[in-house]
Amino acid sequence: KQEVTQIPAALSVPEGENLVLNCSFTDSAIYNLQWFRQDPGKGLTSLLLIQSSQREQTSGRLNASLDKSSGRSTLYIAASQPGDSATYLCAVFYQAGTALIFGKGTTLSVSS
Amino acid sequence: NAGVTQTPKFQVLKTGQSMTLQCAQDMNHEYMSWYRQDPGMGLRLIHYSVGAGITDQGEVPNGYNVSRSTTEDFPLRLLSAAPSQTSVYFCASSYLNEQYFGPGTRLTVT
Repeated sequence: KQEVTQIPAALSVPEGENLVLNCSFTDSAIYNLQWFRQDPGKGLTSLLLIQSSQREQTSGRLNASLDKSSGRSTLYIAASQPGDSATYLCAVFYQAGTALIFGKGTTLSVSS
Repeated sequence: NAGVTQTPKFQVLKTGQSMTLQCAQDMNHEYMSWYRQDPGMGLRLIHYSVGAGITDQGEVPNGYNVSRSTTEDFPLRLLSAAPSQTSVYFCASSYLNEQYFGPGTRLTVT
């Protein structure tokens, strides 16, 4: 059974810091991995999708990497800003790309 | 395109009542799924569908029914609501292994 773990559960940093969020999964036979952002009381915003054949994806100040063999993904946020404060969710595809298995998320707080 | 839409946005039910959460997508995606989100639990997969007429159970299917008569619609039915079903429910569709989420339905069962 696929399980997804995110560490740390919460993180507080001052503005301007570079930071890394970690995601691990137990079954390396994944299809894709997707990172989402969720603001309090809101829906999910897709940040980055890494195909199973890729090792990383970049969007602006965000960079996500994928190492299937070790069952790990990281989300790197450069030069953090207070507007980055949110919960970040990692998810892997379940059974041939049909639906996602989520981690519990990392709640990030960036202070100015 | 409206993307993935969900109705209602909010709902309060009494224990034992039944209701249907609606989900529709206009992107012609074959795959659709339902999740629930509880505090500190992330999102958990309830049911999913790989096409019209085909559904399957996810991680937490008990207490929920689904059907998929068209590509566009994937309703979630609670036959007898329980307080443990108080949650935020998200519907999603997927294409080329990327998921697109609806805005969610906040359900409270008293």
